[in-house]
Amino acid sequence: GAVVSQHPSWVICKSGTSVKIECRSLDFQATTMFWYRQFPKQSLMLMATSNEGSKATYEQGVEKDKFLINHASLTLSTLTVTSAHPEDSSFYICSALARETQYFGPGTRLLVL
Amino acid sequence: SQQGEEDPQALSIQEGENATMNCSYKTSINNLQWYRQNSGRGLVHLILIRSNEREKHSGRLRVTLDTSKKSSSLLITASRAADTASYFCATDPTGANSKLTFGKGITLSVRP
Repeated sequence: GAVVSQHPSWVICKSGTSVKIECRSLDFQATTMFWYRQFPKQSLMLMATSNEGSKATYEQGVEKDKFLINHASLTLSTLTVTSAHPEDSSFYICSALARETQYFGPGTRLLVL
Repeated sequence: SQQGEEDPQALSIQEGENATMNCSYKTSINNLQWYRQNSGRGLVHLILIRSNEREKHSGRLRVTLDTSKKSSSLLITASRAADTASYFCATDPTGANSKLTFGKGITLSVRP
């Protein structure tokens, strides 16, 4: 149990376009989900906390207008990278909180050309 | 600044040997967790140790926590090639598991 999926697993886009990444909890409901960003050979950096039915809480230095988060249901949170630029290329990982444990998705690799 | 700092940054061992990885942190914690990440994949939760615990076991994993030194170690015994991955420690200051701070990770290579 406690499986989290992400879609897509990888995406390549042109600079200036927007990209939406989905995070789903498949077999449980999660009122809280988290979005992380990971650069190559680096640690995970928390970007924002997504709460179902309310606005996301962004970490310091993360532009909320750049990274739009929508947690519309108890099993789905989406991260939209708006007007993506090459510096947004990274590995984005979500997690869902259940029973005081974070369950992580497999990640989405974004490459902006 | 990073809360958790693991060492060594990279470790290469022979299959069957034990692997010891260390993590140091700076501020007070409720618990410390270890995760594994296979290349290009998400994280898998391995083990959680609370601030009032000193040692915990799970299968071939043994975790210790020394709050006076603000450090933890992860021991993998009888390593296997499948243990090859990156390992991260993460600290949780409140126990709500909502503000995890991850270290930079240790890359473990187990040679068959």
